[in-house]
Amino acid sequence: DSGVTQTPKHLITATGQRVTLRCSPRSGDLSVYWYQQSLDQGLQFLIQYYNGEERAKGNILERFSAQQFPDLHSELNLSSLELGDSALYFCASSAGGPTEPRYGYTFGSGTRLTVV
Amino acid sequence: AQSVTQLGSHVSVSEGALVLLRCNYSSSVPPYLFWYVQYPNQGLQLLLKYTSAATLVKGINGFEAEFKKSETSFHLTKPSAHMSDAAEYFCAVSDRGVYSGAGSYQLTFGKGTKLSVIP
Repeated sequence: DSGVTQTPKHLITATGQRVTLRCSPRSGDLSVYWYQQSLDQGLQFLIQYYNGEERAKGNILERFSAQQFPDLHSELNLSSLELGDSALYFCASSAGGPTEPRYGYTFGSGTRLTVV
Repeated sequence: AQSVTQLGSHVSVSEGALVLLRCNYSSSVPPYLFWYVQYPNQGLQLLLKYTSAATLVKGINGFEAEFKKSETSFHLTKPSAHMSDAAEYFCAVSDRGVYSGAGSYQLTFGKGTKLSVIP
């Protein structure tokens, strides 16, 4: 158990629908990162939060949004889902702040999203 | 933007043989570098990291990596492969400022190398 909790583990939904993925960071970590892993694109950085504030955006579609709540858990919202959104979505947390890369990340076990 | 190239999407070794997984990075300044391992249906687990201290970094499960600035490489090695080492391995480099103006760092990952261990 890495200490980063992601729910649900699996999600099957239809095209056009909206889903919410949830992440609880490791205790004490203020930074949360979301990544998408697919066979063709590999691991792609989506978005980064630190203590409730958005700090960086990567290859995140406009149909996707995220937030980090006061208790530090984070949610990734995916809407108007397309077949191509099927992927593994990982959340990671870090003991360091956004300008402290030396700590690395602790990853959750991911949410496997299948859009049918 | 920094990038990471992992040579070989698939590497096969015999049990007991040397494991060598290659990683090259592009960076104009010394970066922070990481190796992660992903077992099937699991998340990524940190194996080791280089943070500008010793150039030879030892990690978990007997793995180590050497930072070579002249070659912009950070190859992962293990003297003797074990069946339990079969997994996918990712090299990552810290990346700064590409996605935001606040100087935040994120990790940029290579495409991964799947390691198979033959009994």
